[in-house]
Amino acid sequence: QKEVEQDPGPLSVPEGAIVSLNCTYSNSAFQYFMWYRQYSRKGPELLMYTYSSGNKEDGRFTAQVDKSSKYISLFIRDSQPSDSATYLCAMSAGGTSYGKLTFGQGTILTVHP
Amino acid sequence: DGGITQSPKYLFRKEGQNVTLSCEQNLNHDAMYWYRQDPGQGLRLIYYSQIVNDFQKGDIAEGYSVSREKKESFPLTVTSAQKNPTAFYLCASSKGLAGTDTQYFGPGTRLTVL
Repeated sequence: QKEVEQDPGPLSVPEGAIVSLNCTYSNSAFQYFMWYRQYSRKGPELLMYTYSSGNKEDGRFTAQVDKSSKYISLFIRDSQPSDSATYLCAMSAGGTSYGKLTFGQGTILTVHP
Repeated sequence: DGGITQSPKYLFRKEGQNVTLSCEQNLNHDAMYWYRQDPGQGLRLIYYSQIVNDFQKGDIAEGYSVSREKKESFPLTVTSAQKNPTAFYLCASSKGLAGTDTQYFGPGTRLTVL
């Protein structure tokens, strides 16, 4: 079983839809949770960063962490064609140990006009 | 304009050849990383370096080698011992190795073995 599981999709939605992307994990030591966006043939760029449980909002994006269920989500409101990309969740244990990132497989999202 | 550069963008290699991928950063970051990305597998860590002249193996280091002679440079050599080197290679850097230190990625190098 992989430490981080992410549905690879692909996910196709119409413009304006609310998108929900999810990851589950098995390592209870994970404290830092990230979402990266990767456009085709480009490097990933950090989209959202969350520490521990709770919600974080940034414009049309909301990240949720539920440590009790070992489940994280990224919501995209009013999705746009420019949101079409692969979304990668990543997490680390942090603290005094090396903050090694463990990535999910990535979800391919297409927003069509 | 700060960032991470990787070269070349595309690289073709014949079987049995070693190739070196370049990674340079001008963010004044201490830590640097190399990842490999294959379809459906996310990113896997090859090597990382916390400081000049020091580096550690990641999860899939076999068939790869690195050096860290300068703070801003972290080249990766894919050796002939790497059984399946065709992949997308990503370099990243961060201020340090703490969990709070965000990793920033370069644009990647796509390596194809002919």
